[in-house]
Formats: sequence, structure tokens, C-alpha cells
Amino acid sequence: DAGITQSPRHKVTETGTPVTLRCHQTENHRYMYWYRQDPGHGLRLIHYSYGVKDTDKGEVSDGYSVSRSKTEDFLLTLESATSSQTSVYFCAISESSVSGANVLTFGAGSRLTVL
Amino acid sequence: EDKVVQSPLSLVVHEGDTVTLNCSYEVTNFRSLLWYKQEKKAPTFLFMLTSSGIEKKSGRLSSILDKKELFSILNITATQTGDSAVYLCAVDYFTNAGKSTFGDGTTLTVKP
Repeated sequence: DAGITQSPRHKVTETGTPVTLRCHQTENHRYMYWYRQDPGHGLRLIHYSYGVKDTDKGEVSDGYSVSRSKTEDFLLTLESATSSQTSVYFCAISESSVSGANVLTFGAGSRLTVL
Repeated sequence: EDKVVQSPLSLVVHEGDTVTLNCSYEVTNFRSLLWYKQEKKAPTFLFMLTSSGIEKKSGRLSSILDKKELFSILNITATQTGDSAVYLCAVDYFTNAGKSTFGDGTTLTVKP
């Protein structure tokens, strides 16, 4: 899928446990993102990165942290998972174009269930 | 607070019908509006619109942007069952480069 893979694709965990989702790209794109998608909602941005070690918060960042130590990898960590974090998580990449659009390419998604 | 609002939230039509999906926005530092299609998996890019009044077309799909009235429409003519999906619109910004704000999506169901 356009050089972007997410792992794991499915995970069931218990409240209070730590969880890390991984996003790996082979496109050498500068920007990487983590979104969550819930029924009745579109995609909501959790965190994004604009380069190695450069990250910023999105609109729903509480309870999540990220790290980007290499261009190709962007990790999303839930330090202590809660049931409200049950969701489908999408990683995306982009290379902002001179035409002025930030076209996103998405990974296949990671479905997380917190019991 | 930036807002992107899509309507209707869901729509059921029959094959051959024409549909119009709406996306309005209230954001600061608007740069572009993008449409994505999401079938049972990840969203995929359809259109990018930056200038008002220029219609983008791809087969039976077309889209137009009105930067004065702050909305975009996505038209699908002669719908097919394969058009069934969630259609998402998103805006991106001159500042906060790299960020996008999405609407909640329109779920389109095309019945045979």
C-alpha cells in the first residue's frame, strides 16, 4: 500500500496496559501523522511529525505520545490504555507539494480494542 | 475553532442516480480542500481543489470549490454499487503546514 505499513493490524488489550502502534514508510516523506476514526466521526488528528524528532500535537492528543527517531518510523504510544481509546488508528504520510496541497496517503489501519 | 461540516451524513440511492455531497468549512489560513473516498479500509485521495470555480473531473466524479461562500460539492453521476463508500472532505492550511482537518464524512450507499 504505497509504501506505508502499520503494525499490529489488530490488538485487544486491557485497561491500564501500555500499547505501541508502529507506522513504517518507505517513501522518505517528511510528514507523518496519526489519526483515529470512530463511528460518526471523521478522522481526528492525534499527533503529527514534520521531521526526525520534530512532532506536534493534534486535536485529540491527550493520553497519547509519539516518537520519531528515524524518517521511516513513527510510533504512537498509549501509556495506559483506556476504553475511550478503542478505535481504528490510521497512520498517514505526505510530502507537501508546491501546488499547495497536503495529499495524504494512509496506511491500512490498526484496530485497537481496550477491554 | 476550525470547522469542516459535511452533509448529508448518509445517503441511500439506486444505481444510475446522480448524487451531490456537500462540504462547508470555516477555517483560518485555508489553502486547499481535498476529497477522499473510504471503502472498507483506508481513505484514498480523489481530488484537490485550490482555486474557486475550477471544476475537477475524473470519470463520473466531479468537484468544485467556492472560496467566497466557503463550500465544495462532490457530484457523482450514473452511480454504481462500487461508489458505495464514505466520502471525506478535508482542508489544509498555509500555516501549520502538514495539518489537515476532516469533516465527519458522508456515507453513500448505492443499491442495485
